[in-house]
Amino acid sequence: DIQMTQSPSSLSASVGDRVTITCRASQDISNSLAWYQQRPGKAPKLLIYAAGRLESGVPSRFSGSGSGTDYTLTISSLQPEDFAIYYCQQYYSTPRTFGQGTKLE
Amino acid sequence: DVQLAESGGGLVQPGGSLRLSCVGSGFTFSSYWMTWVRQAPGKGLEWVANIKQDGSEKNYVDSVKGRFTISRDNAKKSLYLQMSSLRAEDTAVYYCAGRGFYFQYWGQGAQVTVSP
Repeated sequence: DIQMTQSPSSLSASVGDRVTITCRASQDISNSLAWYQQRPGKAPKLLIYAAGRLESGVPSRFSGSGSGTDYTLTISSLQPEDFAIYYCQQYYSTPRTFGQGTKLE
Repeated sequence: DVQLAESGGGLVQPGGSLRLSCVGSGFTFSSYWMTWVRQAPGKGLEWVANIKQDGSEKNYVDSVKGRFTISRDNAKKSLYLQMSSLRAEDTAVYYCAGRGFYFQYWGQGAQVTVSP
């Protein structure tokens, strides 16, 4: 199974900050990576797929990049609604594993 | 609007069984792989199982193999998860998710609690 490791596990930031979350795969996943946002008590929401493609309707302050085993999610200017938990997920192979999550607070 | 609606959750004793259902609307259900994802209390997301469009291919995480069965009925636009030999560690919110191998659509979740 491919292991997905996110860092940091938690991150303190303020409105207007630029933040970056990192996800590392245990093997090359060829850009088969998605990012999700989960607010308390809600289902996850897809933000980014194919490592860098923005899902329709997602604000452009979210961006993704990376290749091989290392990927990043960047929020260019934090808004109040962005304080949530973020997960990466690889879909290169089964089981399609998630990272452990990064809590943005 | 796209909707996925889970049902069938509840409280069950260890060793018991439960069947989750998920009904999709607003998209061509039969065209996509569908998946179950779960989230234990206070924990992260765990991919559980997925099923191909025609039901001919099914995959499971190791921890549920032999105990859980995923199935679908495209005529009813429905996805199912039959869970047996349930354990305390299966306690979680179970989400139905689609489409494809990353998840654009999510249900609201069904709570499954395994406890004596």
